[in-house]
Amino acid sequence: GENVEQHPSTLSVQEGDSAVIKCTYSDSASNYFPWYKQELGKRPQLIIDIRSNVGEKKDQRIAVTLNKTAKHFSLHITETQPEDSAVYFCAAQSYWGAQKLVFGQGTRLTINP
Amino acid sequence: DAGVTQSPTHLIKTRGQQVTLRCSPKSGHDTVSWYQQALGQGPQFIFQYYEEEERQRGNFPDRFSGHQFPNYSSELNVNALLLGDSALYLCASSPQGGRATGYTFGSGTRLTVV
Repeated sequence: GENVEQHPSTLSVQEGDSAVIKCTYSDSASNYFPWYKQELGKRPQLIIDIRSNVGEKKDQRIAVTLNKTAKHFSLHITETQPEDSAVYFCAAQSYWGAQKLVFGQGTRLTINP
Repeated sequence: DAGVTQSPTHLIKTRGQQVTLRCSPKSGHDTVSWYQQALGQGPQFIFQYYEEEERQRGNFPDRFSGHQFPNYSSELNVNALLLGDSALYLCASSPQGGRATGYTFGSGTRLTVV
C-alpha cells in the first residue's frame, strides 16, 4: 500500500543554520506533496506544497524539492529561527480515489539559540 | 470567516464505551476527512465524506463510522472503545470534492480511553 518514510525523526540545529528533512513515497500515482508544521497541542498548518510537474518551489526561507524519478522530496529551511521549532510532517496525495493524504512519521525540529 | 471547528476539544472515556466527535467544515468546503493522530505519529486517514456518503476508507475497523449532514458538517463515531483508540482526532475540510490542496485542519479532539 501507500507509504511515506520521513527522516530524520529528530533534528537539532543552531539558530541561523539550515535544516533539511527528507521524505520518500511509494505510490507512483502521487502528484501532490504538502508539508505541515505542527506546534504542540495545535493543528497541522500547511507551510508549503509542490505538485509533481514542478521540481522546486520556494517561499522566503522555506523551499521544497521533488525528484519524481527517485520518489524523494525534501524540505529546506534556511536561516532558522527559534519559532521554527515544531514537528514537521510531509505528506503525499494520490491522483486517484478520494485523494487522501498519506503522512510521514514526523520530524521534531529544535532550533538552539 | 470561521475555519474548521471540532468539538469537544478533550474527552475521557472508559473502555467499551462509545464516543461521537463533531466537525463543522470551513465555509465553502463540502468535503470532510477524518484522521487519527496517535502520540508521536503522523495523522492516519480514517475516511472521507462527500455528498453525505463515505467516499474512501483507510485501514480502520468497522467500529469507526461516520456521517455527513446536508450542511456538510460531520460526525465520527467510535464504538467499543479500546485503549489504543486514545489519540488526537483531526477533521480536515476541503472544497471541490476533496482536493487536498485546499485542506484546512481543525484543532482536533483529544480522546483518552481509560
